[in-house]
Amino acid sequence: EVQLVESGGGLVEPGGSLRLSCATSGFTFTNAWMNWVRQAPGKGLEWVGRIKSKTDGGTTDYAAPVKGRFTISRDDSKNTLHLQMNSLETEDTAVYYCTTDRRVEGPTLFYGMGVWGQGTTVTVSS
Amino acid sequence: QSVLTQPPSASGTPGQRVTISCSGSSSNTGINYVYWYQQLPETAPKLLIFRNNQRPSGVPDRFSGSKSGTSASLAISGLRSEDEADYYCASWDNSLSGRVFGGGTKLTVL
Repeated sequence: EVQLVESGGGLVEPGGSLRLSCATSGFTFTNAWMNWVRQAPGKGLEWVGRIKSKTDGGTTDYAAPVKGRFTISRDDSKNTLHLQMNSLETEDTAVYYCTTDRRVEGPTLFYGMGVWGQGTTVTVSS
Repeated sequence: QSVLTQPPSASGTPGQRVTISCSGSSSNTGINYVYWYQQLPETAPKLLIFRNNQRPSGVPDRFSGSKSGTSASLAISGLRSEDEADYYCASWDNSLSGRVFGGGTKLTVL
């Protein structure tokens, strides 16, 4: 079973830092592009950023509101995705989801954010 | 303000067919694929449609997607009470170099 499990959320003061992790299983993580998506309380979905597979360059892209403050990384040896969040602002308060993106499983190519974790809550408040 | 525009709400009665629109521009939906996601209350979103009109395994054929120009639509036929959810469209924006979502449409089954 394909599974994503986020952790690391919590309460942090404005200006603080937090590191989220997403433990994955059930698919070939090394062949997957991965995203972080967030959802503020009562609001819609907002894409945070993406990291490609190392085979496709391992490059990252970020949404404008988080660029320069957030960093996505991957540890293919542990099948784990990370989101380092610095200089946190109250507007960063949200549930953070990790999702799969384009991925290859044997002869099959999957498109879209096909698998989502359950989310982890980040609250930025003094 | 979302880059992709969706109506905030839609409704229908059981058995009816409803459509949800998603309007973008030449830098996103006009040249890139559109994806649709369903978010049931208090749950993580789920991929409904990928690459404009493809359904992942397990998604009922009551759900269909289409795209024309810079606009896309999600159609749900044979509406059921369990379809009551928020629906989001998404695409890649070449100008922003990022994924963009619509603001979401809350579907109510009357």
